[in-house]
Amino acid sequence: GDSVTQMEGPVTLSEEAFLTINCTYTATGYPSLFWYVQYPGEGLQLLLKATKADDKGSNKGFEATYRKETTSFHLEKGSVQVSDSAVYFCALIPYNNNDMRFGAGTRLTVKP
Amino acid sequence: NAGVMQNPRHLVRRRGQEARLRCSPMKGHSHVYWYRQLPEEGLKFMVYLQKENIIDESGMPKERFSAEFPKEGPSILRIQQVVRGDSAAYFCASSPRAPPEKLFFGSGTQLSVL
Repeated sequence: GDSVTQMEGPVTLSEEAFLTINCTYTATGYPSLFWYVQYPGEGLQLLLKATKADDKGSNKGFEATYRKETTSFHLEKGSVQVSDSAVYFCALIPYNNNDMRFGAGTRLTVKP
Repeated sequence: NAGVMQNPRHLVRRRGQEARLRCSPMKGHSHVYWYRQLPEEGLKFMVYLQKENIIDESGMPKERFSAEFPKEGPSILRIQQVVRGDSAAYFCASSPRAPPEKLFFGSGTQLSVL
């Protein structure tokens, strides 16, 4: 079935470093793609999304582009902050389906 | 507009007891999803419900687990005769329509089985 695979963590970066968290998907048709963020002790919050090929989702300095040719939706940020420390989940909703499927999550720690 | 409300936030049960987890979706949302998160793992889909109906329960264990979303009141995830392996964080999410444009998540219920 449709699924996402994201890079394993944890990822540790220094403040102002460049961030990439890889996510690839397997799907029939054209799924909608999402990045969610989970801060300690909280539920997931939508970070950004893209619903069709070549769409770029962006929010709070984070970006991800829906790449059909490589079936990828990598998350990037040019300069991370300590407050970005969290767990990041890649997810998809399959075409003509109702449930959202998540990757395993990548824990990011940003050190001052 | 209150977000998705889950209670209790923490639930401790002994082996063999029952656990009842509650979820009140956002106002106007009639679609509810339950997910389980084991330590250091991603979210696993359990069940998708629309008011009074179970739409997809493909992720729910066949025994001991059940879910409902009555016409009035919160959605309930019920685990009978809990075992230590049921210890996890259980998250509820809601959306106003299907297929969802996005899901709104509650803060979760942390179930600990002693």
